[in-house]
Parts: sequence; C-alpha cells; structure tokens
Amino acid sequence: AQTVTQSQPEMSVQEAETVTLSCTYDTSESDYYLFWYKQPPSRQMILVIRQEAYKQQNATENRFSVNFQKAAKSFSLKISDSQLGDAAMYFCAYSDGNKLVFGAGTILRVKS
Amino acid sequence: NAGVTQTPKFRVLKTGQSMTLLCAQDMNHEYMYWYRQDPGMGLRLIHYSVGEGTTAKGEVPDGYNVSRLKKQNFLLGLESAAPSQTSVYFCASSYYRTWGRSGTDTQYFGPGTRLTVL
Repeated sequence: AQTVTQSQPEMSVQEAETVTLSCTYDTSESDYYLFWYKQPPSRQMILVIRQEAYKQQNATENRFSVNFQKAAKSFSLKISDSQLGDAAMYFCAYSDGNKLVFGAGTILRVKS
Repeated sequence: NAGVTQTPKFRVLKTGQSMTLLCAQDMNHEYMYWYRQDPGMGLRLIHYSVGEGTTAKGEVPDGYNVSRLKKQNFLLGLESAAPSQTSVYFCASSYYRTWGRSGTDTQYFGPGTRLTVL
C-alpha cells in the first residue's frame, strides 16, 4: 500500500522568509499525482499545488513551488516570502488515480 | 457555484444514536469521498464512490455506511454511534480524467462536519 510521510510535525518561519516542508512517499507505480493541501484554522482544505509524476518540470503557483525528486520519492514544498496568512496545517497527498493517501501533516507557524 | 457542501456543520450524539451526513456537489463530478480527520493522523478514507449507484470501502469503513442514489449527493450514515467516531468528517469530489493517466484527479473538499459522540 502507498504511504506518505511528513517528518516535520511543526515548522516556524519569519515573515518574508522562505521555508521548505518535506514529504516522502512510497509507491511501486510509475504514473501518479502528488498534491499539497493547506488547512487553515477555518478547517477548509485548500489545494496549494499539484504535480503529475510524468512531468519532469517542478510545479509552481506564485510563491509556492515544489521540488519533485521521482527517484528519491520526495516531494517538498517551498514557500517564498512567507506571509501571516500562510500559517496553517499543510498536508502532502499521493494519488494513483483512484484514491488520495495523506501524510499526517505539518503545522506551519509564521512569526511577525 | 457552491462547490462541495456538507450538512450539518456540527453535531453532538449520544452513544448508540444514528445519524446521516449529507454531502452535495454541483460540479458534475463522478467521484465522491468521505474522510475522517483525527489529531496527528491526517485524513483517512472511509468510503468512496466512482459513480451514481456505486460505493466502495476505504481505509476505515467499519461502523459507517454510504449511499449514492444521485450523482450530486453522497450520504454517510452512522447506525449506532460510538465515542471512537468522534472526529471531523470531510466530503470531497473529483472529476474523472480521461486523458493521460485516466482516473480521479484533484479532489475538492467540503467545509467539514465536527461530530462529537458522548
């Protein structure tokens, strides 16, 4: 079964600085999707960024970018110019086209 | 376009009571899902549906039943609630991708239901 591991339960970053959240996964598939979701205190799950495994180019969405290392099965999220509104729980997730498997999450705290 | 909505937002039950959570989506998505979120464990899949009239078990299906009589609705039922079912429940939906790797793609989530079983 596929598994997703987020080894950092909590991270802190100073406002305007850059932070990287780690994620590793285990799969025997060659084609799949990877996602980062953000969950603020409102509880709403918000899609941050999405990566298709067959694409070598790393996905970017404004201040958010990923470092996708397929051979290492690593999918980290970089947040540049951190803002107070980035404070949330971040979940890494894997999909083989049928179901999502989530990591346990990383709490990101942003200091002003 | 409301996206994915869930009813109710909060509920308190006594052990042994039953209830149904309703999920509705207006995006014409084929796939729908029910998850539970517990502290330190991320989201775990309870049941899912790949189309109207179909359901399948996820990772933690015991104690729950589901039905998908209409494409836009996915119901989650608890027949006899237990304190272990105290959790936040999320519904999600996704479209079926028919190009590249076929299957489900990005999931869109509802706002969640906080359920407490005393």
